[in-house]
Amino acid sequence: QITLKESGPTLVKPTQTLTLTCTFSGFSLSSTNVGVGWIRQPPGEALEWLGLIYWDDDKRYSPSLESRLTITRDTSENQVVLTLTTLDPVDTATYYCAHRDDSTGWGVYDIWGQGTMVTVSS
Amino acid sequence: QSGLTQPPSVSGAPGQRVTISCTGSSSNIGAHYDVHWYQQFPGTAPRLLIYGNNNRPSGVPDRFSGSKSGTSASLAITGLQAEDEAVYHCQSYDRSLSASVFGGGTKLTVL
Repeated sequence: QITLKESGPTLVKPTQTLTLTCTFSGFSLSSTNVGVGWIRQPPGEALEWLGLIYWDDDKRYSPSLESRLTITRDTSENQVVLTLTTLDPVDTATYYCAHRDDSTGWGVYDIWGQGTMVTVSS
Repeated sequence: QSGLTQPPSVSGAPGQRVTISCTGSSSNIGAHYDVHWYQQFPGTAPRLLIYGNNNRPSGVPDRFSGSKSGTSASLAITGLQAEDEAVYHCQSYDRSLSASVFGGGTKLTVL
């Protein structure tokens, strides 16, 4: 059974850096075609794709966030870390990590974490 | 700004059939990238409903179906039930952005 869970601060000040950890189980991020993506959702708004890290450590980022966003992995710990710099109140959102396996469906996120709400405010 | 366009809301009576559209462009749906659909209840994470345009994961009732044509896709729900009241999101890939893109989400109300 695949599970993912996000963890990190709930309140961050503007201009600070956000670090979120996605801890997963039930799959290996070393398996071919597997990836972990990050998606966020501001309150009452649409889902926004942030980025993705693949089994081979290839990374893809949203063009609008690429200059501020970094995604890394710790395969031995089954964790993926999102780092977002220079936070602004518009970054206030629920942040989700999700499992992706392109061998079953290209680009689909089949299992999602419960999400973690992050508020950016002074 | 969402890369895909969905109606903000749709509604239907129990037992009826409703469809939710997802309109893209030649750089995403029209470029033959797969469309996926997610169902989201208030306060919970999205749940995969349809993948690869028209495939249902295990456990999803066959009342839910997906289709794609040209630069658009649709989610159809037949035999509408009160428990279907949720927000539905479409997702695809945009080659000009080199990024996955989501629609704005559609709130389904069961009357």
